[in-house]
Amino acid sequence: DIQMTQSPPVLSASVGDRVTLSCKASQNINKNLDWYQQKHGEAPKLLIYYTNNLQTGIPSRFSGSGSGTDYTLTISSLQPEDVATYYCYQYNSGPLTFGSGTKLEIK
Amino acid sequence: VQLVESGGGLVQPGKSLKLSCSASGFTFSSYGMHWIRQAPGKGLDWVAYISSSSGTVYADAVKGRFTISRDNAKNTLYLQLNSLKSEDTAIYYCARFPYWGQGVMVTVSS
Repeated sequence: DIQMTQSPPVLSASVGDRVTLSCKASQNINKNLDWYQQKHGEAPKLLIYYTNNLQTGIPSRFSGSGSGTDYTLTISSLQPEDVATYYCYQYNSGPLTFGSGTKLEIK
Repeated sequence: VQLVESGGGLVQPGKSLKLSCSASGFTFSSYGMHWIRQAPGKGLDWVAYISSSSGTVYADAVKGRFTISRDNAKNTLYLQLNSLKSEDTAIYYCARFPYWGQGVMVTVSS
């Protein structure tokens, strides 16, 4: 099975900061990776699909990049409403697997 | 797209439960569907998938105990949970990526 490792587990940043979240796969996943945002008590919401494609309705401050085994979600200017846990998810091969999440907090 | 789960609750270890997911707003029979779960305070854990032609795939942790199925005439997805363990305690979500239901809680405890 492909393991997905997210870092850091918790990230504390200030409003307006540029924030970068990392996701590393245990093998090449050929950009078959999405990013989800989950706010407390809610179902996950798709932000980015196929590594770098912004889902309809998602603010342009969110972007994704990466290839091979290393992927990144960037928030260009952190907003209070971005407080959430962010999960990467691979669908390249084998059982679908999620990362363990990065909890994003406001300083 | 709307997905509404039901059937959760408190169940004893070793017992069974059947979850349902009622789908609307799209042609249900044309899409593959997933079940994903989330233990309290933990991350997301993919459970099972059924294709539009009813082919199925399971996570190792539930293989042989859980069964995913669908009734296209009723626009409903199911998850039969057998031989339940305490570690199956979680919110269970149905999903037609990228759409998710709000989830249903399953608690396995004596």
